[in-house]
Amino acid sequence: ETGVTQSPTHLIKTRGQQVTLRCSSQSGHNTVSWYQQALGQGPQFIFQYYREEENGRGNFPPRFSGLQFPNYSSELNVNALELDDSALYLCASSWPRGSGANVLTFGAGSRLTVL
Amino acid sequence: ELKVEQNPLFLSMQEGKNYTIYCNYSTTSDRLYWYRQDPGKSLESLFVLLSNGAVKQEGRLMASLDTKARLSTLHITAAVHDLSATYFCAVDGNAGNMLTFGGGTRLMVKP
Repeated sequence: ETGVTQSPTHLIKTRGQQVTLRCSSQSGHNTVSWYQQALGQGPQFIFQYYREEENGRGNFPPRFSGLQFPNYSSELNVNALELDDSALYLCASSWPRGSGANVLTFGAGSRLTVL
Repeated sequence: ELKVEQNPLFLSMQEGKNYTIYCNYSTTSDRLYWYRQDPGKSLESLFVLLSNGAVKQEGRLMASLDTKARLSTLHITAAVHDLSATYFCAVDGNAGNMLTFGGGTRLMVKP
């Protein structure tokens, strides 16, 4: 059983650029959530995808967008990068709530630095 | 808006000692998670607590949940250096696996 894999592991961008981060969910998991973790802070929920649609969203502006594909993998896109977007971006996969399974499995993260 | 607070934020303790980390949250929830994070690494799931009075133990760590008090605790027994890490609690406030995390407790266990 494979876990959650994310790519790239590290990347550096400049202000105003756009970035795409990728996540492959754990085998069998059909729900993907994205979190932003700034240095020294707890992760913050960005959004969740289920059945290729956004299923919930945290307090993030529209320049944070995502996709989920039929194989349940997902992308996080951030446009018009700002310095404060520098963070570790974590992807988590799970079964939907109510399925009886309670596990969220996190990937290793993508560390984004915006200069 | 759901708020999750942990204390202490930083904990330095000697090996062999006991201590408790507290996690308070502001709205009703019946699902609380504890995670461990090592520097530069991702989140490792420790416990999932699903009901009032739930208690789970793994090695030197024991977690409990009091939904009426909106409080969870993570108790460390006879700490060892390998437990040094940052510990987060997270609450599933809207029944959708969309977690609100506390700010974390950085634990350092000194020999």
